[in-house]
Amino acid sequence: DGGITQSPKYLFRKEGQNVTLSCEQNLNHDAMYWYRQDPGQGLRLIYYSQIVNDFQKGDIAEGYSVSREKKESFPLTVTSAQKNPTAFYLCASSDGHTLRGNQPQHFGDGTRLSIL
Amino acid sequence: GEDVEQSLFLSVREGDSSVINCTYTDSSSTYLYWYKQEPGAGLQLLTYIFSNMDMKQDQRLTVLLNKKDKHLSLRIADTQTGDSAIYFCAERGSGGYNKLIFGAGTRLAVHP
Repeated sequence: DGGITQSPKYLFRKEGQNVTLSCEQNLNHDAMYWYRQDPGQGLRLIYYSQIVNDFQKGDIAEGYSVSREKKESFPLTVTSAQKNPTAFYLCASSDGHTLRGNQPQHFGDGTRLSIL
Repeated sequence: GEDVEQSLFLSVREGDSSVINCTYTDSSSTYLYWYKQEPGAGLQLLTYIFSNMDMKQDQRLTVLLNKKDKHLSLRIADTQTGDSAIYFCAERGSGGYNKLIFGAGTRLAVHP
């Protein structure tokens, strides 16, 4: 089945440690996105990538980094510079990267990151 | 700026209709979406509406759009316990890429 796979489901970070969240999609989508979800808030965009080897900062990129070396993969690294990393992280993808018609974003099941 | 607002909580009796409301600010929005999130899971796309439409029906779901007032609603007919979840409204904002602006989500509780 086509879809978006995020791993791990739960992740714990120690002080001063970088951790990487995996996101893989087999939908052949050009665009991929990372969001952060905090309780009682909507989703906030961290980074997005419209095409392979290109990515852009979203609204809350500080303390995070990404790469897009392959079309199907968009890993997110939470660095030690992110002082409040505890949150639910959601990866999404969509078809195309322009304003051509309806391109809904499809989501993975998320990774919950906590501080040890 | 772009902003989407929703009421945070709605409680309904099983079998009744649920209406979840949303207001948005970007008058140039082209598409508006409704997503459902169950506990510990990602967002599931429920339905969407194009900005030149007033209404869209999809089985038990009806979306109404009042573009003049920038008001969007999702009606769920014959609400079931399996409909208990958080519902997010999102608008596709103006700009050069497929940016979505999300509301904070409405938690729907269905009781017997």
